[in-house]
Amino acid sequence: NAGVTQTPKFQVLKTGQSMTLQCAQDMNHEYMSWYRQDPGMGLRLIHYSVGAGITDQGEVPNGYNVSRSTTEDFPLRLLSAAPSQTSVYFCASSYSAGRNYEQYFGPGTRLTVT
Amino acid sequence: DQQVKQNSPSLSVQEGRISILNCDYTNSMFDYFLWYKKYPAEGPTFLISISSIKDKNEDGRFTVFLNKSAKHLSLHIVPSQPGDSAVYFCAARDGNKLVFGAGTILRVKS
Repeated sequence: NAGVTQTPKFQVLKTGQSMTLQCAQDMNHEYMSWYRQDPGMGLRLIHYSVGAGITDQGEVPNGYNVSRSTTEDFPLRLLSAAPSQTSVYFCASSYSAGRNYEQYFGPGTRLTVT
Repeated sequence: DQQVKQNSPSLSVQEGRISILNCDYTNSMFDYFLWYKKYPAEGPTFLISISSIKDKNEDGRFTVFLNKSAKHLSLHIVPSQPGDSAVYFCAARDGNKLVFGAGTILRVKS
């Protein structure tokens, strides 16, 4: 099992550009989520999904879109990048929202918006 | 307003001694608490968890204590090892979401 994979590892964008951060898991997990990590702020939930076709907003959803067409993939789209979106982004998955809630995290994508 | 707080940004401990990392929370509806460990340039990894109906959970060198009346939990690492040097995040479950603290950097000196 590859676990949770994220691409790209690093990305630099100009303000106003759009891009998609990819996330995939091969553990047949129902639950997937996206977080951003900023200094002094910990991990903040952006969007999450409890299964294919179902998504919901987290704590900081503005400026981001998600979709979940398959169990395996959960891409995060930045619609019009802003410097405030400079961060490290982590994708995570777990069996379900209700099973111990042990989430498996990907290695992260470091995004810089200039 | 942060619902999960880790008030110590960093902690330095001698190898072999006990490390105690603390976490406070404000939402009494949290029903599950977890600790994650994170090394630089890697994603967080799950360490240990505790249900709100328990007050202690132990796994090898790691023990988590929960004091519901004080809305406080702590992670004890005994004995501490240099490989334990990492950032430790406390997290709490709120429905379908996890709420994380800001993290504590643990340095274990050999």
